Parts: sequence; C-alpha cells; structure tokens
Amino acid sequence: DAKTTQPTSMDCAEGRAANLPCNHSTISGNEYVYWYRQIHSQGPQYIIHGLKNNETNEMASLIITEDRKSSTLILPHATLRDTAVYYCIVRVDGLWGQNFVFGPGTRLSVLP
Amino acid sequence: DAGVIQSPRHEVTEMGQEVTLRCKPISGHDYLFWYRQTMMQGLELLVYFNNKAVMDDSGMPKDRFSAKMPNASFSTLKIQPSEPRDSAVYFCASSLAGSSYNEQFFGPGTRLTVL
Repeated sequence: DAKTTQPTSMDCAEGRAANLPCNHSTISGNEYVYWYRQIHSQGPQYIIHGLKNNETNEMASLIITEDRKSSTLILPHATLRDTAVYYCIVRVDGLWGQNFVFGPGTRLSVLP
Repeated sequence: DAGVIQSPRHEVTEMGQEVTLRCKPISGHDYLFWYRQTMMQGLELLVYFNNKAVMDDSGMPKDRFSAKMPNASFSTLKIQPSEPRDSAVYFCASSLAGSSYNEQFFGPGTRLTVL
C-alpha cells in the first residue's frame, strides 16, 4: 500500500478553515484516501474518505488532486473541539490488515 | 447503539501477571480489530477478525499475546506473561463489511500499565 506524508503539526484560528495536506505520491488506482482523527485520550474517529472525486460530509471536505498524488482535508469552520491528531491513510478498498497503517499524523491545534 | 465497549478502562498489573482485555463490538459488525498505541510506536494493528476468524495477526507478538473471538459479540486479547514494554493503550474497533464504506468504529481504549 502507498505511504503517506503529513506535516507534524499545524495551528488554526478558531472559526477559520483548517486545511490539512497529505502526500501520497505512490498511490495506486484502486486505493482510497481515508481520514481519521484522534482527540486526546479517545479512540480514533472516522472523518471522510474518497477515491478520486472530491467529497463532503457534515464533518469535512476532502479535496483530491487530479493525479491523486495528494489530498487536503478541510474543516470549514474549525472549533476548539477540532484540536486533535489527524491521520491520512491510503488503502485498497476491502482489504485490512497491515495495509491499514496509521502514521504519526498531523497534530492540529485550534487556537482561540 | 452503545458503540464499541471495552473493559477494563484501566489496568495496572505487575510484570509476569496475566492480563485479559475485553471487547464487545457494535452489534452486526463482522470485522473486529485490536490496536495498540504507544508514544514511541504510535497506533499499531495487532490482529483483526472477520466473522470470528483471525484474518491477520502478523502485528501481534505470538509468544505472549493471544486473541480470541468465541462469538460475534465478544473478543479477548490476552497477554501472558505481561512485561513493562506492554504498557500502552489498547483499542478495539469494529466495522461492517461493505463495498466502499469501511468505517472503523473505535472503543474508548484500555490503558494498561505493567510495573
């Protein structure tokens, strides 16, 4: 499975959009991009996933570049409760195991 | 639904003792995962089940760890004998098989401290 690289940390002002980038330059055609987040002391929480089209749900938007080598998770109006570690994962749909790897993620701090 | 339930939430034990962690997945979910999280290694997948059968346990130390799923609503992760390096937060997650929607739902975790 493709590996991902994310910035170690980011800050965002409360109420502003948080844009979290992820590089996955070796992604293959059948691999999806997944985003999870982990708020301190809790289990990870699913946010959104996509294959090649941009996706939006009640939590966030996912923008995937045309070549699929990178993506951006957008939290449109960040709140203090969005402070968490955000993980970008790529995997082939339907497969789990060691192919589903949580890297170090991006630690997002939403500042008042 | 109550979500994924794990017990105990905290466990403190001494080196050499047996430790059993428990997990109840979301009803109807057919995948169950055990993860371990430490500051040094991050979140690691230890083992996962599909319909109660072990699908991949390559991340699990076999000499001291064992995982079982005797029925669809219960799983255990046992460590015997426990060592200080096993100190970590252990998460259980479950998922419902589907074509493209494979969200994993995580439990609150068990914080294990081995002295």
